[in-house]
Amino acid sequence: EDKVVQSPLSLVVHEGDTVTLNCSYEVTNFRSLLWYKQEKKAPTFLFMLTSSGIEKKSGRLSSILDKKELFSILNITATQTGDSAVYLCAVGEIQGAQKLVFGQGTRLTINP
Amino acid sequence: DAGVIQSPRHEVTEMGQEVTLRCKPISGHDYLFWYRQTMMRGLELLIYFNNNVPIDDSGMPEDRFSAKMPNASFSTLKIQPSEPRDSAVYFCASSSAGQTQYFGPGTRLLVL
Repeated sequence: EDKVVQSPLSLVVHEGDTVTLNCSYEVTNFRSLLWYKQEKKAPTFLFMLTSSGIEKKSGRLSSILDKKELFSILNITATQTGDSAVYLCAVGEIQGAQKLVFGQGTRLTINP
Repeated sequence: DAGVIQSPRHEVTEMGQEVTLRCKPISGHDYLFWYRQTMMRGLELLIYFNNNVPIDDSGMPEDRFSAKMPNASFSTLKIQPSEPRDSAVYFCASSSAGQTQYFGPGTRLLVL
């Protein structure tokens, strides 16, 4: 069965710290890996990764994919209280479509 | 762009009642997805459509759940009869082929 596992499940840090969130997967017909941020409402898109070793960056957030070892990391530097959210990892598995399998999420809390 | 629109945003009903959730995808998107999110099970795909045709409904929990997409701009998810264990947040998402899924704000359903 296809599986996406995120770790840690919960993380509490102080403002200004750097955090690394992990996502490993076992999915047949891998197409892409996506990261979403979910605050109190709907998940909002952060990154889509399809190739190994190419880092995607957006401000203080960055992510990279390792297709050989079947994992991805999401880094957040100089964290702010507004980064507090659940971060979801999802893998797209069907060619030509985007049926996503989601991990259980990492709940990140940034304390001032 | 208005994004994915869902209604109602909140629904409280009694066990045994019929519940209908509605979704308007982003214009031009040809994929539409229905998800359910709970604390216990996380984000689960229920069903998805391509060009208004249901492609995969393997995530629909049982016959009490049904979904339709009569045209490119409207979809419904119906639960009849509803049960307390159906209480969850139901998200609709849409995408173009091979692209990122964009989520609606969700419908928070409580079945008493």
